[in-house]
Amino acid sequence: ETGVTQTPRHLVMGMTNKKSLKCEQHLGHNAMYWYKQSAKKPLELMFVYNFKEQTENNSVPSRFSPECPNSSHLFLHLHTLQPEDSALYLCASSHPTSSYEQYFGPGTRLTVT
Amino acid sequence: GNSVTQMEGPVTLSEEAFLTINCTYTATGYPSLFWYVQYPGEGLQLLLKATKADDKGSNKGFEATYRKETTSFHLEKGSVQVSDSAVYFCALTPANQAGTALIFGKGTTLSVSS
Repeated sequence: ETGVTQTPRHLVMGMTNKKSLKCEQHLGHNAMYWYKQSAKKPLELMFVYNFKEQTENNSVPSRFSPECPNSSHLFLHLHTLQPEDSALYLCASSHPTSSYEQYFGPGTRLTVT
Repeated sequence: GNSVTQMEGPVTLSEEAFLTINCTYTATGYPSLFWYVQYPGEGLQLLLKATKADDKGSNKGFEATYRKETTSFHLEKGSVQVSDSAVYFCALTPANQAGTALIFGKGTTLSVSS
């Protein structure tokens, strides 16, 4: 099993739809992250969870709602998105106290129509 | 605040050429420094890291040395291959802040032709 998996890999949704992105890590980490990668923009942090508690929210609009039910799973619930939300959404994990590097999943390519 | 600046791309090289991608940072204390690589259609992969001054990170023929005096972490490879074509990101984690977000540079696209 690969370290960090994300599903779906591709998603097309309308502005009125509700969908969820899923991330799962098999590395025994306790910190998980959502990043957004848009064309021609730097990678942007969205949320950080440490031991299932949200520790950072980078002023993300409420149409993005994260959920972390346990240390291995992280979700990003999406509703009433805008076309400018189309991007690659990347999940990452790390050990929050003993190392600093983060391991990334392959991402979900989201297109909002 | 903390920030990372890396050279603008794209960088276009012939196979077996020498590669340098410049990266400088702004941060207090001694951040941890990373290079990540993103191949087309994929997520980011950790390429190498250095966690203290004068450390040299290396992997797959790539190297970078943590230079505190110049606040730099330049990526080098002696002989690039076509398979090295990708986007390279320099990043840092602030000192003593494991479990917080990475701060990324904008990325440098490398294109290697045979």
